[in-house]
Amino acid sequence: SSELTQDPAVSVALGQTVRITCQGDSLTTYSATWYQQKPGQAPVVVIFGKKSRPAGIPDRFSGSSLGNTASLTITGAQAEDEADYYCGSRVSSGNRPWVFGGGTKLTVL
Amino acid sequence: QVQLQQSGPGLVKPSQTLSVTCAISGDSVSSNSVTWNWIRQSPSRGLEWLGRTYYRSKWYRDYALSLESRITINPDTSKNQFSLQLSSVTPEDTAVYFCARLTGEVAAYYFDFWGQGTLVTVSS
Repeated sequence: SSELTQDPAVSVALGQTVRITCQGDSLTTYSATWYQQKPGQAPVVVIFGKKSRPAGIPDRFSGSSLGNTASLTITGAQAEDEADYYCGSRVSSGNRPWVFGGGTKLTVL
Repeated sequence: QVQLQQSGPGLVKPSQTLSVTCAISGDSVSSNSVTWNWIRQSPSRGLEWLGRTYYRSKWYRDYALSLESRITINPDTSKNQFSLQLSSVTPEDTAVYFCARLTGEVAAYYFDFWGQGTLVTVSS
């Protein structure tokens, strides 16, 4: 079971804004990272360090955090943004030091 | 640009040992600023961190507690790669296995480069 909780599925109309959230106690101490994964591919970082974007990631992707909740916002969603999104974080204790959320499947309508 | 290229068999029999290798280009397995990790993904377990190896004046290895008795991760400096071995596998170990580099700074680490993934099926 994940120590980070995500909604299983979210949908957004083309060009609209969508927010994907991730909840977990570890997020009060450690930054969330957001990964995008398309079918048959490895995850790709879209947001790290709460709100930083790697080179090559469009600026329509943004991150924020408040308390135990991290959010990924896509402003003006495009068809190519349809994917699974996972949050990940360090944890202080438990079976393993790195955990991921269960993923949110984003559908762009 | 860092690239991670995985290799290994896609089918393993129950009770045998699963082995996957990750060849690194664009970085060194002996780098003292990153760690080299194995992560697996399955429909039932999602993304699951398995373990890591890294060099900080000497070699270190950390494993998920639930797998400690079965898992080994080894660096190979001569080939600039690292490997995963998981012994006594069962069908529950069927998953896509990824290698990944962890980078970042305190409280903001992340897996920035991933291998392409290796689907390993445990079946007789």
